[in-house]
Amino acid sequence: DAKTTQPTSMDCAEGRAANLPCNHSTISGNEYVYWYRQIHSQGPQYIIHGLKNNETNEMASLIITEDRKSSTLILPHATLRDTAVYYCIALGWYGGFKTIFGAGTRLFVKA
Amino acid sequence: EPEVTQTPSHQVTQMGQEVILRCVPISNHLYFYWYRQILGQKVEFLVSFYNNEISEKSEIFDDQFSVERPDGSNFTLKIRSTKLEDSAMYFCASSDWVAGTGELFFGEGSRLTVL
Repeated sequence: DAKTTQPTSMDCAEGRAANLPCNHSTISGNEYVYWYRQIHSQGPQYIIHGLKNNETNEMASLIITEDRKSSTLILPHATLRDTAVYYCIALGWYGGFKTIFGAGTRLFVKA
Repeated sequence: EPEVTQTPSHQVTQMGQEVILRCVPISNHLYFYWYRQILGQKVEFLVSFYNNEISEKSEIFDDQFSVERPDGSNFTLKIRSTKLEDSAMYFCASSDWVAGTGELFFGEGSRLTVL
């Protein structure tokens, strides 16, 4: 699975959009980009995933660049409860049995 | 909404004892996983399980560890002869790679404290 690079931490004001970047320059054509988050010491929570098209669900939007070398997770109106560690993972079907979590980005949403 | 449940939520044991952590995955999922997280560190993959056998395992998952699906609903992680460094949060997860697209659904975790 391709390596991903994320900033260590980010701040965001409550009510504003949180834009979390992820670089995956070595991603291969059949690898998806998955995003998870972990609030405090709870189990990680799936957010969204995509292959090459932008995706949106009730939690977030995922913007993937045309060359697929990077992506951005967007939380449109961040709340204090969105404070968490966010993980970007590149995963292909062959890697489906082993999702590997990196260090992620620690997002602090401030009032 | 279906969820993964784990028991116990917290277990304290003496070094050298055996521990069994239990998980009930989402009922129609076929792929099961154990992860652990030592306090302050990242979430580490231990093992994946499909069709009643281990699919992949990490270097952490040595002979001290074993997994089992003893019946149609439970998925267990056994840790033999526990060590102080086994103290961690253990997360169970399940996924549906057939009808779904592989996202993992995690339980709330079992905190293991080895004294």
